Amino acid sequence: GAVVSQHPSWVICKSGTSVKIECRSLDFQATTMFWYRQFPKQSLMLMATSNEGSKATYEQGVEKDKFLINHASLTLSTLTVTSAHPEDSSFYICSATEQGLSGELFFGEGSRLTVL
Amino acid sequence: GDSVTQMEGPVTLSEEAFLTINCTYTATGYPSLFWYVQYPGEGLQLLLKATKADDKGSNKGFEATYRKETTSFHLEKGSVQVSDSAVYFCALSDPSTGNQFYFGTGTSLTVIP
Repeated sequence: GAVVSQHPSWVICKSGTSVKIECRSLDFQATTMFWYRQFPKQSLMLMATSNEGSKATYEQGVEKDKFLINHASLTLSTLTVTSAHPEDSSFYICSATEQGLSGELFFGEGSRLTVL
Repeated sequence: GDSVTQMEGPVTLSEEAFLTINCTYTATGYPSLFWYVQYPGEGLQLLLKATKADDKGSNKGFEATYRKETTSFHLEKGSVQVSDSAVYFCALSDPSTGNQFYFGTGTSLTVIP
């Protein structure tokens, strides 16, 4: 099946720095990618939807200047957490979908961000 | 609007016990239904899916049947193993909303030997 890869899988950074997480579709073209945030023992919270070549659509309550999303190609989307603070520590998961695949979502492995 | 409701956990079972995780949905169109599984520290993996009424999805001993009359997609397994310990998410994708995905809150399953 289709594969989505995230990198890095785990990152630790100092407060105030920015962190970039990459999400790649390895064997298909992802017209739409989604970014989720997951708190411990909680469900997925959709942060934003990005379509290749256009601006991301952010969910209510998600700061677009804090969480910068770029979907520059059909196989790559990036999430940059700017000026990270400890409360941004979380598990970030991306997913991708391609038209014609029964609307199935393919998920990356997730990236755990710890801000010290 | 569309939504998914699944039974709250956590669920703890002994090995070889029967598993049912309930899931019901609300949708404006004719959705596809999915069960995803998340093992500790990992992302989500598709477990099974059904794209139309009365379809049965199955994988790794898990089954779920798309019941339009009861708007349900309950997950079942006849004999769980310790390796089935994970969080299970019910989800739907609705073409009438551009195939937007809606997830349940997840049900944590722990299987003890």
